[in-house]
Amino acid sequence: DVKVTQSSRYLVKRTGEKVFLECVQDMDHENMFWYRQDPGLGLRLIYFSYDVKMKEKGDIPEGYSVSREKKERFSLILESASTNQTSMYLCASTDPRTSNQPQHFGDGTRLSIL
Amino acid sequence: AQSVSQHNHHVILSEAASLELGCNYSYGGTVNLFWYVQYPGQHLQLLLKYFSGDPLVKGIKGFEAEFIKSKFSFNLRKPSVQWSDTAEYFCAVNAGSGYSTLTFGKGTMLLVSP
Repeated sequence: DVKVTQSSRYLVKRTGEKVFLECVQDMDHENMFWYRQDPGLGLRLIYFSYDVKMKEKGDIPEGYSVSREKKERFSLILESASTNQTSMYLCASTDPRTSNQPQHFGDGTRLSIL
Repeated sequence: AQSVSQHNHHVILSEAASLELGCNYSYGGTVNLFWYVQYPGQHLQLLLKYFSGDPLVKGIKGFEAEFIKSKFSFNLRKPSVQWSDTAEYFCAVNAGSGYSTLTFGKGTMLLVSP
């Protein structure tokens, strides 16, 4: 069974801090994704990566960056955290080489910026 | 860019009632369609998916969905809901992206009263 692990379930940071959210998957998936989930807005794609060191902007990349140095790990970085980045962050992965594969999600990191 | 519309933000049903959650998408080409469910405190799980073939797809826990191409719809149904179906439901579309990116609806919160 696919396992997507996010390093923290809950995180509290201060405005202006640099914040790192980590995600690891154990199925050798090529594609990895970061979303944020907000009440009434559903999930919105921040960034995704289709290979090591490769990244693409999603729908709401402003204020975020990502890093994919190893295939299994995809990090989301808040360069200078702001209160409007308080949210639930979800990581997902999928294998595009296998047809009909859905995305598999981690448990999420609930981030509060004070 | 594609968009996904879920008709209801909140639905309240009694146990044994029938359920239908609406989902419409805006994209004229080939699509892959998904319903995900998020139970309280848990990660997003795949309920069912449609890639091709029979437009009536069956998923886990007695759920099914019908793809109607002419209506750009992929409604979720269950003949008789249970209290344990209380959760948030998300419709998602992959509109031919080679990177398997998904566009999600805003979600429908289903509350089933015993």
